[in-house]
Amino acid sequence: GAGVSQSPSNKVTEKGKDVELRCDPISGHTALYWYRQSLGQGLEFLIYFQGNSAPDKSGLPSDRFSAERTGGSVSTLTIQRTQQEDSAVYLCASSLAASGRSGNIQYFGAGTRLSVL
Amino acid sequence: RKEVEQDPGPFNVPEGATVAFNCTYSNSASQSFFWYRQDCRKEPKLLMSVYSSGNEDGRFTAQLNRASQYISLLIRDSKLSDSATYLCVVSGYSTLTFGKGTMLLVSP
Repeated sequence: GAGVSQSPSNKVTEKGKDVELRCDPISGHTALYWYRQSLGQGLEFLIYFQGNSAPDKSGLPSDRFSAERTGGSVSTLTIQRTQQEDSAVYLCASSLAASGRSGNIQYFGAGTRLSVL
Repeated sequence: RKEVEQDPGPFNVPEGATVAFNCTYSNSASQSFFWYRQDCRKEPKLLMSVYSSGNEDGRFTAQLNRASQYISLLIRDSKLSDSATYLCVVSGYSTLTFGKGTMLLVSP
């Protein structure tokens, strides 16, 4: 079966433009997570979806960042008016159910490398 | 105290050496624990889950000490291919909390 798929794999954009990053989770996985990883840094949690709702958006760094998930499957992370500090690898992960109490394993996509010039 | 703390390393070891990493966590309510591995410019991948009784997978042994809130990973007979960053991962309320990782470099 297919793993977590992210697109595009690389995105170069100009400061001030909007970008959309897509994540297609493993089929049947109800939970979906977005993380950001800057060069040489650890994973920074952004947002978590259970089905189509987002119980935890606590990691979104500003109101320029938003995400949605439709049909309990594909998710889109949108960054409006991109800034140079938004440059990072954006990773998506999915798990069978929420990873908190149940400890369900998260499987990661290969990420989208975003460069804001 | 950070939620999950790890020594960033790098740990430089020769092939065949035994190396151990520790990790401490702050949330005493955490129920599940993992080690993930992340190769350079790649996504994290599950290495192994960590069980209360300790568990072994080939050359890798993981231990959990709930009383002291730390987790360990032991790698025996290191291979060049073990060079990577090892992430300590702890369950929270709704998601997993990842440590920043410990870098391991195995040299010939």
